[in-house]
Amino acid sequence: GEDVEQSLFLSVREGDSSVINCTYTDSSSTYLYWYKQEPGAGLQLLTYIFSNMDMKQDQRLTVLLNKKDKHLSLRIADTQTGDSAIYFCAETFSGGYNKLIFGAGTRLAVHP
Amino acid sequence: NAGVMQNPRHLVRRRGQEARLRCSPMKGHSHVYWYRQLPEEGLKFMVYLQKENIIDESGMPKERFSAEFPKEGPSILRIQQVVRGDSAAYFCASSPTSGGRSTDTQYFGPGTRLTVL
Repeated sequence: GEDVEQSLFLSVREGDSSVINCTYTDSSSTYLYWYKQEPGAGLQLLTYIFSNMDMKQDQRLTVLLNKKDKHLSLRIADTQTGDSAIYFCAETFSGGYNKLIFGAGTRLAVHP
Repeated sequence: NAGVMQNPRHLVRRRGQEARLRCSPMKGHSHVYWYRQLPEEGLKFMVYLQKENIIDESGMPKERFSAEFPKEGPSILRIQQVVRGDSAAYFCASSPTSGGRSTDTQYFGPGTRLTVL
């Protein structure tokens, strides 16, 4: 079946690294995505990784993919208060088009 | 290049009324997706449309909900005879392609927050 799981909360100190984890079930997903949602706002695409990659780095963001364990993580270096938001992991539906299956979201709180 | 536009941003309806939510995809995008987000939850897929065609409506309730994406104009999500349980944020996303390519990436609108009194 299709299921994406994330831990619900993460609290970090400003300047530290944040690591948000996600597990998914559909091994035939081609792309996996990370979206950010600030309060009352829509979803902002942060980054995505193709399923044949292990790692992708984009400035302060590092995505790690362990396809064997179906585990995806997002690392935010030097976390800032502006990074406080809900982070959603999403996998693509394997049925031939790009329907997204979302996790419930991880609420990241950054404190001084 | 304007992003995905949705209107209205907030919509209040009384039980039994109709709600019409509009979505204009990004320029050049012919694939539209609607998702619903209940409070404190993730987004759930509702329907996927291409111009004038519904491709997959497996996530949409069988009754009271309908969607269209006409040749001209925005995509419309219509909810008839709304009930309190329909209160949620409804997000539209668009992509230029949809079939296992990097250009399938979906870009989301700001959402319409529907409140049913």
